[in-house]
Amino acid sequence: EIVMTQSPATLSVSPGERATLSCRASQSVSSNLAWYQQKPGQAPRLLIYGASTRATGIPARFSGSGSGTEFTLTISSLQSEDFAVYYCQQYNNWSVTFGQGTKVEIK
Amino acid sequence: QVQLQESGPGLVKPSGTLSLTCAVSGGSISSSNWWSWVRQPPGKGLEWIGEIYHSGSTNYNPSLKSRVTISVDKSKNQFSLKLSSVTAADTAVYYCARIRVGAGISPWGQGTLVTVSS
Repeated sequence: EIVMTQSPATLSVSPGERATLSCRASQSVSSNLAWYQQKPGQAPRLLIYGASTRATGIPARFSGSGSGTEFTLTISSLQSEDFAVYYCQQYNNWSVTFGQGTKVEIK
Repeated sequence: QVQLQESGPGLVKPSGTLSLTCAVSGGSISSSNWWSWVRQPPGKGLEWIGEIYHSGSTNYNPSLKSRVTISVDKSKNQFSLKLSSVTAADTAVYYCARIRVGAGISPWGQGTLVTVSS
C-alpha cells in the first residue's frame, strides 16, 4: 500500500499570506495526485487533480506542483473561506490512499 | 450535473452488517467512471473503502477487503456497500463518490453517519 504523508499537521497563517502544504508518497505515484479541501460538516471538495490541474470552479490562488513522490499545494493569498483541512490523495495500481490531512488555521 | 445521495440505517449493532446505498442522479452509472465509498471516523481523516465499475469490476482497500462487498444496480442507477462483522471502530461518516480516472474524486455525496452500538 502506498502511504501518503502530509506536513505540517497544522499550519497557522494570517489572511492574505501564502500557505504551502506538502505531501509525500512512499513510492512514485507519477502525477496521479489530487488535493481536497474539507470544512467542518461538509464533504471534501476536489481542488487539484493530476498534481497540477485545477478542478472546475477552483480559484487561481490554488496551485499544485510536483510529481513522483513529492507534491505541494500552494494557496497564494489566504482568504477567510480557505481555513479548512486539506488532504492529498493518490490513485495508483487500482488503489486509493489519502494523507492524514493538514489543518490550515487562522494565525 | 451528477449528484449522489447516500441512504441506509444510521445505527448498526456490533457484529452486524452495515448496508448503504448511493443513488446517482443527473448522469448514468454506466458512464466511464468508477463509483466509490470513502469513510471518515469522527474527528479523523479519510479512508477509501473501495470502488466499482458498471461492469461489476471492483477494487477494495486491502485492510477491509475481507469484510466489504460493493455492488451495482444499473436498472436503479445506484450502487451499494455492505460491511460485515462491524465493531465500534467502523463508526464513521460514509461518503459515496465518483472517481474519474486521472481526474480525482468528484462529486461526493453529503455523507451519512453510521454508528455501531448495541
